[in-house]
Amino acid sequence: KQEVTQIPAALSVPEGENLVLNCSFTDSAIYNLQWFRQDPGKGLTSLLLIQSSQREQTSGRLNASLDKSSGRSTLYIAASQPGDSATYLCAVKADTGTASKLTFGTGTRLQVTL
Amino acid sequence: GAVVSQHPSWVICKSGTSVKIECRSLDFQATTMFWYRQFPKQSLMLMATSNEGSKATYEQGVEKDKFLINHASLTLSTLTVTSAHPEDSSFYICSARDLASGGRELFFGEGSRLTVL
Repeated sequence: KQEVTQIPAALSVPEGENLVLNCSFTDSAIYNLQWFRQDPGKGLTSLLLIQSSQREQTSGRLNASLDKSSGRSTLYIAASQPGDSATYLCAVKADTGTASKLTFGTGTRLQVTL
Repeated sequence: GAVVSQHPSWVICKSGTSVKIECRSLDFQATTMFWYRQFPKQSLMLMATSNEGSKATYEQGVEKDKFLINHASLTLSTLTVTSAHPEDSSFYICSARDLASGGRELFFGEGSRLTVL
């Protein structure tokens, strides 16, 4: 059974700092990994999707890496802003089937202070 | 990206009543939609996979008679919480894949917060 863990569970940083969020998964046989952002009381917004054959993906100030063999992914946020405050979730997809479910991590609650 | 809409965004009901939550894919067709449940400060737990035109597939431990799922069209799935009780109070989120764009990415609705008194 796939298990996904995120460290740290919570993080508070001052505005402008670069930061790294970690995601680890126990079964390396994944199809892809997706990072999401969730604001309080809201649904999920997809940030980055990394296919199993890829090493990293970038979007603006966000960079996600994937080391499939070691079961790890990181989300790097450059020059953090108060608007980045949210919970960040990673999720892995087991196989290519469209009905294949995502297994979610426990999330990292990020607070960026002024 | 693709848009998934949920309605209602929040609902309060009395114990024993049934509540229906709708999940719509607004600009794409989805043969498969997923229903998740999220408790406060916890991650998402998959409840069931909704399949257009056929029965939903429920995860272990999820009562199919309690959480009725209907996926009558390629753009609409509904979750009905039957005879709701306070322990059913939670945040329910649906998601869907846009097959036309490869179906690799999962798009989520805004969620529906259910409070059972």
